[in-house]
Amino acid sequence: DSGVTQTPKHLITATGQRVTLRCSPRSGDLSVYWYQQSLDQGLQFLIQYYNGEERAKGNILERFSAQQFPDLHSELNLSSLELGDSALYFCASSDGHDAGELFFGEGSRLTVL
Amino acid sequence: AQTVTQSQPEMSVQEAETVTLSCTYDTSENNYYLFWYKQPPSRQMILVIRQEAYKQQNATENRFSVNFQKAAKSFSLKISDSQLGDTAMYFCAFMPYNQGGKLIFGQGTELSVKP
Repeated sequence: DSGVTQTPKHLITATGQRVTLRCSPRSGDLSVYWYQQSLDQGLQFLIQYYNGEERAKGNILERFSAQQFPDLHSELNLSSLELGDSALYFCASSDGHDAGELFFGEGSRLTVL
Repeated sequence: AQTVTQSQPEMSVQEAETVTLSCTYDTSENNYYLFWYKQPPSRQMILVIRQEAYKQQNATENRFSVNFQKAAKSFSLKISDSQLGDTAMYFCAFMPYNQGGKLIFGQGTELSVKP
């Protein structure tokens, strides 16, 4: 158990809809990262938050947004969903140091029909 | 752009034997970190081993060791005494020194350990 909790574990929705994925980091970790794992794109970094502030951005679509709340949990919002958004979305957390180990959650499997 | 390449989509090994997974990367950075992550069927990403580019000594974690060749930009993973529980997808990942947490992953190698 990594200590990172993601909900929901599975989600099925229709094109055009909006979903929110939630992540609770390990106790004490200030940084949260979101990654997308899909068959065609592999594992891709989406975005990082550190203590409530956006720190780094990767290949995140404009239809996607994220935030980190004062209690350090994070949410990834996906809107106007397309079939190609079907993927496993991982959250990871770390203590925020550059060389710090990332601890991954079990992921949220999103299926868009 | 930095890229990570794993040229072996699938590999298999007999239980108790040794297997080596290959990884090459491309970067102009001098300082960075390299990782091997394991993703078993449970799908959770688990860190196997980490290497700092400035260290010449190859990292070792129990049955797992790496062969880090900085000039060749190569970072292979050796698993000794393979166990059934090692069956998983293995991902090689690169992280620039000043971009903590922003991992660049390879496409993965699916390893099957056979009894």
